[in-house]
Amino acid sequence: DVKVTQSSRYLVKRTGEKVFLECVQDMDHENMFWYRQDPGLGLRLIYFSYDVKMKEKGDIPEGYSVSREKKERFSLILESASTNQTSMYLCASSLVGIANIQYFGAGTRLSVL
Amino acid sequence: AQKITQTQPGMFVQEKEAVTLDCTYDTSDPSYGLFWYKQPSSGEMIFLIYQGSYDQQNATEGRYSLNFQKARKSANLVISASQLGDSAMYFCAMRSANSGNTPLVFGKGTRLSVIA
Repeated sequence: DVKVTQSSRYLVKRTGEKVFLECVQDMDHENMFWYRQDPGLGLRLIYFSYDVKMKEKGDIPEGYSVSREKKERFSLILESASTNQTSMYLCASSLVGIANIQYFGAGTRLSVL
Repeated sequence: AQKITQTQPGMFVQEKEAVTLDCTYDTSDPSYGLFWYKQPSSGEMIFLIYQGSYDQQNATEGRYSLNFQKARKSANLVISASQLGDSAMYFCAMRSANSGNTPLVFGKGTRLSVIA
């Protein structure tokens, strides 16, 4: 079974803190993704990566950065957390190809106080 | 640009009845894939069913089927014989073939509540 593991289910941080959300997949997938989910807005893409050290901006990259030093690991970084970044963050991975399923982690619910 | 529209924020269905969740999409690419995911209250996203734009038949997976009407650009999910465990958020998503690396684009979702 494909497994996408997010390091934390719940996080509470203070405004201005640097926050790292980690994601690891075990199926040698080329693609990895970070989405943000808010009520009524669905899933919005923050960043994705199609190879080690490669990254592409999604729809809402402002205030975020990413790192992919190894194929299996994709990190989302909030350089200076703000209250409007309180949200559910979902990591996903997939093989290349139109029909390939995106597999998701369990999500990290981040609260910024 | 790709776009997914789910017009039903919430729906109720009686247990054992069938329910249709609507999804319309917009893309200029002739080759694309359509996906449905389920998200229970626990938060994980569960893949349900896939339909390719060139597939001749509607996709089916157990109690799930996809009513694909290409000319109308609709890809409705049909759940037959609803169960209490079907209560969840349901998301329609698509990916076009202009690049195989393209992430899925999601709709805003429909919350389904199954009533005993």
